[in-house]
Amino acid sequence: DADVTQTPRNRITKTGKRIMLECSQTKGHDRMYWYRQDPGLGLRLIYYSFDVKDINKGEISDGYSVSRQAQAKFSLSLESAIPNQTALYFCATSDQGSGETQYFGPGTRLLVL
Amino acid sequence: QQQVKQSPQSLIVQKGGISIINCAYENTAFDYFPWYQQFPGKGPALLIAIRPDVSEKKEGRFTISFNKSAKQFSLHIMDSQPGDSATYFCAASLTGTASKLTFGTGTRLQVTL
Repeated sequence: DADVTQTPRNRITKTGKRIMLECSQTKGHDRMYWYRQDPGLGLRLIYYSFDVKDINKGEISDGYSVSRQAQAKFSLSLESAIPNQTALYFCATSDQGSGETQYFGPGTRLLVL
Repeated sequence: QQQVKQSPQSLIVQKGGISIINCAYENTAFDYFPWYQQFPGKGPALLIAIRPDVSEKKEGRFTISFNKSAKQFSLHIMDSQPGDSATYFCAASLTGTASKLTFGTGTRLQVTL
């Protein structure tokens, strides 16, 4: 987990606020992902990026945006947070060298009031 | 649409017993089936994975059984230990899709003394 870091680890915000979750990795991987985890729903893909110039929507991208500032950094933004975006958010990385294995960060617990 | 269905949602097993978690998938093109293990407060981590060219893969006390015709695969944990208590996610993906995993909904395993 130390190779993939997420900030903040916990965040409480209010409805309508814009917030950013950040992910950094030192694994040198080119692929990065954002997931959200909800009880009973598992992990669902929000956005993924193959490299700095590539951004792709995942299964549940509505209400979210991302920015790949560098190979090592991938940020997730909630432009106007709403309560049903309360969840545990994970960043993950992979590359061809790691095969299909994804390496996850420790997660950010977000509460939207 | 849930492409990977996982059961049970929770499981309690006595120490030394066998834990069995099942997953079923819909997309016959899936060709990579990993299991991830997640401890409280941590991100998921790859536990074991299988490709459909084999029917079983064993790593220590962990075994994946794969049934291509039934589109099902399962995780067996032999001699379950309290340290195995965690949430387990099955997943599936298509090789060549940048490791874009579709996860099951997760199984919370508790191993009691």
